Amino acid sequence: KAGVTQTPRYLIKTRGQQVTLSCSPISGHRSVSWYQQTPGQGLQFLFEYFSETQRNKGNFPGRFSGRQFSNSRSEMNVSTLELGDSALYLCASSFTGGRTYEQYFGPGTRLTVT
Amino acid sequence: DAKTTQPTSMDCAEGRAANLPCNHSTISGNEYVYWYRQIHSQGPQYIIHGLKNNETNEMASLIITEDRKSSTLILPHATLRDTAVYYCIVRAGKLIFGQGTTLQVKP
Repeated sequence: KAGVTQTPRYLIKTRGQQVTLSCSPISGHRSVSWYQQTPGQGLQFLFEYFSETQRNKGNFPGRFSGRQFSNSRSEMNVSTLELGDSALYLCASSFTGGRTYEQYFGPGTRLTVT
Repeated sequence: DAKTTQPTSMDCAEGRAANLPCNHSTISGNEYVYWYRQIHSQGPQYIIHGLKNNETNEMASLIITEDRKSSTLILPHATLRDTAVYYCIVRAGKLIFGQGTTLQVKP
């Protein structure tokens, strides 16, 4: 079974621009979560989508948004990029997103903001 | 979600068992204990989870104390490829990753 795929793998953007990252979950998985990882803050939860609905949200500004499509693929968008948004963005999928579930992570998208 | 406390780093000799402790004294009855690990520059990898019984799979064993306030992840025969950051997470909703334990397996 193919794993979680994320595109692009690497991205360089300029301050003030916006960016869209894509995540394709494992076939049959309906829950997709997004995380930001930086050396200073570690792994931080952004949001979770289940059946096209945002179910949980982390503590990030409104510049960070996401959506999920009917085929469970998900995108996250960051508008008005800041230098501090440079990070590894990880997507994880799981089957049910319920109380007990294993999350499977993709390789991440490395975003550099200059 | 309950907070977890893990040692910052640990060493283990190759071939020996690695025992990684985690304290979660504020865990509530419906919260599961999850373990993930992250090998440098890769996405985190699920290892194991449990509620109150000990669990074992092909990767590791999870021992949860009777009062559920702490747990230990056991890698029975550590290899160099097990060098990673190990995260203990108590979850009823979203996953909250702490700083984890950096396990260094040495030859």
